Amino acid sequence: EVQLLESGGGLVQPGGSLRLSCAASGFGFSSYAMSWVRQAPGKGLEWVSGISGNGANTFYADSVKGRFTISRDNSRNTMYVEMNNLRGEDTATYYCVRTEIGDYLVLGYWYFHLWGRGTLVTVSS
Amino acid sequence: SSELTQDPAVSVALGQTVRITCQGDSLRNNYASWYQQKPGQAPILVIYGKNNRPPGIPDRLSASRSGNTASLTITGAQAEDEADYYCNSRNSDSNRPLFGGGTRLTVL
Repeated sequence: EVQLLESGGGLVQPGGSLRLSCAASGFGFSSYAMSWVRQAPGKGLEWVSGISGNGANTFYADSVKGRFTISRDNSRNTMYVEMNNLRGEDTATYYCVRTEIGDYLVLGYWYFHLWGRGTLVTVSS
Repeated sequence: SSELTQDPAVSVALGQTVRITCQGDSLRNNYASWYQQKPGQAPILVIYGKNNRPPGIPDRLSASRSGNTASLTITGAQAEDEADYYCNSRNSDSNRPLFGGGTRLTVL
């Protein structure tokens, strides 16, 4: 079965750190770009970070640049995000998403094909 | 531009047709995709590219794009179509993805 399973969420104090993991199964993990997309309680979707299939290219939203680090271990079919200096506004459900990136000058795209169930991160004192 | 604008809420009578729109400059030069999210569930991709549906997505959902507007049309809306719908595109300058604010669809 094709599946993404997030783990590592929880309650953390402002300024603290957390590492989320995403275990993939049922498909050729290293062939796909991956992303983290988050959703604050009652709010919309916000793309956080992305990584190419071989891990050579990483992308970040301005809101997390310098604080979050995305990585992957293709031998373990697992993606990670290391989150540092967490703020209240980082409180959200974080989804792991299999991604297709078309980096073309015209008619480019980011498609989010397969989503995990998400893991909740709460930043609060 | 780095924004995609959607109407917060739309309603449709059972069996009727509804169009959900998404506006933004990025749509002039980039493809859009659409996601459906039901309460308590993760989003799922329902339309991508010109008008591609992943397996299992009913053909009553279709998409189009004109100028700076992308549209998701549901022809013959069913009760199970009641959900939040998000559009997505790309900022060409940064090659970073964007999401619209979402549209809550109510089927009456």
